[in-house]
Amino acid sequence: DTGVSQNPRHKITKRGQNVTFRCDPISEHNRLYWYRQTLGQGPEFLTYFQNEAQLEKSRLLSDRFSAERPKGSFSTLEIQRTEQGDSAMYLCASSLPSIYGYTFGSGTRLTVV
Amino acid sequence: AQSVTQLDSQVPVFEEAPVELRCNYSSSVSVYLFWYVQYPNQGLQLLLKYLSGSTLVKGINGFEAEFNKSQTSFHLRKPSVHISDTAEYFCAVSRSGGSTLGRLYFGRGTQLTVWP
Repeated sequence: DTGVSQNPRHKITKRGQNVTFRCDPISEHNRLYWYRQTLGQGPEFLTYFQNEAQLEKSRLLSDRFSAERPKGSFSTLEIQRTEQGDSAMYLCASSLPSIYGYTFGSGTRLTVV
Repeated sequence: AQSVTQLDSQVPVFEEAPVELRCNYSSSVSVYLFWYVQYPNQGLQLLLKYLSGSTLVKGINGFEAEFNKSQTSFHLRKPSVHISDTAEYFCAVSRSGGSTLGRLYFGRGTQLTVWP
């Protein structure tokens, strides 16, 4: 078990381009979460999945954002028509359906130029 | 909804000194409370959590925190810090109840810098 894996670690893109990030959770964890962290702020909730079902989405997740978890394993987060305000660290976490906390990945740092 | 206030954005301290990082929360329902640590260019690592029971919880790396319901606080403490404790610390809250953990609401973080 290598923990929660996120790829790529860094992504630089031009404004208006589409980007996609991948998260591979811990294998037995059926819950998967996406958070966004901007400079000087704590992580903000974006969405979460239980297995392949997307159970909750934040208002932060605009129409340009879409997340999938097609087979209940890995997840992707796509941002279309990126804007400079999308520059942030995107964190993925996974957990069992329990109250014992998440395991976070190392994040994908997105820079939109 | 729940919210978290971390009162200090930066806390500088000398090595081997004690430290307290302050956290206050707001919620109309019962909550679970967490402290996470984030080292540069890494994800968040759970330090400790309060779910129920004893209000004094001990975590990894010698940290402890005390839940104070009347003051809606969950301050993090360490009696003697090391240079390796230099990192960003986040307090987080989740509503309690049920058998599963929902979304976490995080504070803005406190940068702890330990000087030799």
